[in-house]
Amino acid sequence: DVKVTQSSRYLVKRTGEKVFLECVQDMDHENMFWYRQDPGLGLRLIYFSYDVKMKEKGDIPEGYSVSREKKERFSLILESASTNQTSMYLCASSPPRGQGFYEQYFGPGTRLTVT
Amino acid sequence: AQSVAQPEDQVNVAEGNPLTVKCTYSVSGNPYLFWYVQYPNRGLQFLLKYITGDNLVKGSYGFEAEFNKSQTSFHLKKPSALVSDSALYFCAVRDGAGNNRKLIWGLGTSLAVNP
Repeated sequence: DVKVTQSSRYLVKRTGEKVFLECVQDMDHENMFWYRQDPGLGLRLIYFSYDVKMKEKGDIPEGYSVSREKKERFSLILESASTNQTSMYLCASSPPRGQGFYEQYFGPGTRLTVT
Repeated sequence: AQSVAQPEDQVNVAEGNPLTVKCTYSVSGNPYLFWYVQYPNRGLQFLLKYITGDNLVKGSYGFEAEFNKSQTSFHLKKPSALVSDSALYFCAVRDGAGNNRKLIWGLGTSLAVNP
């Protein structure tokens, strides 16, 4: 089974702090994604990566950056956390083309509160 | 524009009754369609997918979905609902234009199964 893990289930940070959210997958997937989930807004894509050191902006990249130095690990960085970044953050991965049909596998989520 | 619509924010059904969670889509090219479920405070779990072939797709936990090309729909169904099916359900379609590693998500439907 695919396993996607996220470094924290719950996190509380102060406004202005730099925040790192880590995600690791164990299935050699080439694609990894960061979403935020807010009530009534569904899943919104922040960034995704299709290879090591490669990244593309999603729908709401402002205030975030990402890092992918190793294939299995994809980090989301909040450079200066703000209260409007309080949310549930979900990481996902998907297999390479030809080994699947784009279904994504999700981690358990990190609920971030910025005070 | 490519999109996924889940027209009902909430669906209520009595235990033992059949359930339907609706999804319609608009996408260029052949649609690759997915259903996911999210239990409280958990990540999303993959339920089933339609890529090609038989219009009735069977998935996990007794769920199935019917692909209807003429109506551009992919409704999720289960013949007999369980209280444990109460969760948030998301429909998604592969992004047929641009970068097709991404999925386009509906806003979710909250299913409540009453004992």
